[in-house]
Amino acid sequence: AQKVTQAQTEISVVEKEDVTLDCVYETRDTTYYLFWYKQPPSGELVFLIRRNSFDEQNEISGRYSWNFQKSTSSFNFTITASQVVDSAVYFCALSEAVQGGSEKLVFGKGTKLTVNP
Amino acid sequence: DAGVIQSPRHEVTEMGQEVTLRCKLISGHNSLFWYRQTMMRGLELLIYFNNNVPIDDSGMPEDRFSAKMPNASFSTLKIQPSEPRDSAVYFCASSFSPEGDTQYFGPGTRLTVL
Repeated sequence: AQKVTQAQTEISVVEKEDVTLDCVYETRDTTYYLFWYKQPPSGELVFLIRRNSFDEQNEISGRYSWNFQKSTSSFNFTITASQVVDSAVYFCALSEAVQGGSEKLVFGKGTKLTVNP
Repeated sequence: DAGVIQSPRHEVTEMGQEVTLRCKLISGHNSLFWYRQTMMRGLELLIYFNNNVPIDDSGMPEDRFSAKMPNASFSTLKIQPSEPRDSAVYFCASSFSPEGDTQYFGPGTRLTVL
């Protein structure tokens, strides 16, 4: 069965520090997708990135970057020069193919990031 | 474009009462997912529809929970009778299959059962 592990329950940093959130996954599928979502204190779940299993290129979007390594089954997320507004719970998720043509997400437990001024 | 719309945003009810949560999909999406978030269990999938058909309801806790999609853009999740342990945030999400498409989440409904 699919599984996503986010070993860091909580991380606290000071503004402008870089921070990396770890995500390790388990799957037997050869085709799968990985996601990161952000849940700020207001509670909504905000999509950040989707990655398919055939694309191991790292991705950068502003201060955010993602490192996908199939060899270690990891999909880590780095925030450069963190800001107070980055404070949130971050979830890593793995898609699981299901009958019917779409997919079911399996979520990690989340990492709560606090960025202090 | 409007995102996923959920109502109500907050619901407080007493044990034994019926609760109905509502969700409107993003226009053009054809897959609908209901999730529940609690501190103890995190985010867990309750049920999933594709083209209005329930595909996987293995996450529905018990017979007190039921979900429907009366049309392609709208879904309800009903709890009858409600119990205090049902207190949680309920999210719905929509996506457009084929596989691997991103699920976009609604703002959630915070349910409190007293």
